[in-house]
Amino acid sequence: AQSVTQLDSHVSVSEGTPVLLRCNYSSSYSPSLFWYVQHPNKGLQLLLKYTSAATLVKGINGFEAEFKKSETSFHLTKPSAHMSDAAEYFCVVSEGGYNKLIFGAGTRLAVHP
Amino acid sequence: DAGVTQSPTHLIKTRGQQVTLRCSPKSGHDTVSWYQQALGQGPQFIFQYYEEEERQRGNFPDRFSGHQFPNYSSELNVNALLLGDSALYLCASSLVNRGRETQYFGPGTRLLVL
Repeated sequence: AQSVTQLDSHVSVSEGTPVLLRCNYSSSYSPSLFWYVQHPNKGLQLLLKYTSAATLVKGINGFEAEFKKSETSFHLTKPSAHMSDAAEYFCVVSEGGYNKLIFGAGTRLAVHP
Repeated sequence: DAGVTQSPTHLIKTRGQQVTLRCSPKSGHDTVSWYQQALGQGPQFIFQYYEEEERQRGNFPDRFSGHQFPNYSSELNVNALLLGDSALYLCASSLVNRGRETQYFGPGTRLLVL
């Protein structure tokens, strides 16, 4: 069975500094991987996805993630945090031919002035 | 182009009651998945509907059932509500593509069971 581990439950950064949210996955074959963001009292918004094309994936709002098969990692980064980035971030792996999504527990990102 | 919509936005029920939640998929999508997100946790897959049939199910009891209509909209029904069913229920729609499709989520229905 596939699974996702988000290594930090909370991350706090200052505005303008880099963001790193860490994710490791477990998969028996080539996975599809996603990052979703959830702002308070909102639904989930897709940031980016990896589906076995380029290993460096660029998403919306300046976020990107790198798929590293040897490390089974899919960390999310952003060069410069903005106050509006404060939210909950979920690393997600797709399981099986019917695209069942397996979510990590989430990382809450706080951005301070 | 309307995204995924869900109704109602909030709902309060008491233990033992039944509830029906509704979802309209994004235009052009044919697959609807339902997820339960308990407070402080990541969403958990409930089931998925395609061509009006349930084609995959997560680890949820039979009290959770669903339906998909010919226009691809979907309902989630929960019978005999328990306090532990209190959660945000999310609907996601996609267009079937050999397991590589992207799921787009609605804003969710927040259910409180008293």
